[in-house]
Amino acid sequence: QKEVEQNSGPLSVPEGAIASLNCTYSDRGSQSFFWYRQYSGKSPELIMSIYSNGDKEDGRFTAQLNKASQYVSLLIRDSQPSDSATYLCAVRFYNQGGKLIFGQGTELSVKP
Amino acid sequence: SAVISQKPSRDICQRGTSLTIQCQVDSQVTMMFWYRQQPGQSLTLIATANQGSEATYESGFVIDKFPISRPNLTFSTLTVSNMSPEDSSIYLCSVPDATSGNTIYFGEGSWLTVV
Repeated sequence: QKEVEQNSGPLSVPEGAIASLNCTYSDRGSQSFFWYRQYSGKSPELIMSIYSNGDKEDGRFTAQLNKASQYVSLLIRDSQPSDSATYLCAVRFYNQGGKLIFGQGTELSVKP
Repeated sequence: SAVISQKPSRDICQRGTSLTIQCQVDSQVTMMFWYRQQPGQSLTLIATANQGSEATYESGFVIDKFPISRPNLTFSTLTVSNMSPEDSSIYLCSVPDATSGNTIYFGEGSWLTVV
């Protein structure tokens, strides 16, 4: 089992819809969870971090964490074509030297 | 956040040569991480570099191929040795937030093409 897994893409949604991105992780001891966005030809950009169970909202983005299910998700409301990118889920493994491990990424395409 | 500068930003290298990538951070950080992103793939951790100690390499990466230096708390280098076309990747330096230590930020990356 991979340490961090994301649902395979590509994911295509119409403009204005909600995009839902999912991620599972293997280590119950993980404490920090991140979503990065990566545009083609660019380095990853942090968009959300979440550390506690529940929801965390920031503008059109909502991160959801369920530690019991080892599941973290990202919702993008009112999706815009500019949201088209690859979204990377990452988990910080503090019992492994604090390293950050990434899922394989989900490519999101928002159609006008 | 942290300001992370990488050099070179892009290069085309000949097979069999070596290239050293530099990473400069605007604040003192204990840990620095080096990642590789092969075309169409996600990020894979190469090694963790702590100042004053040998780098810790992930499975599949060895010091002879990817030697790392960490001379102080703001600087690190990664060398890609004896390059082959399979080494064509983006190499990314990253550091934890200097204040919280939780969030990890990335440099702009070094885009290497081996011909």
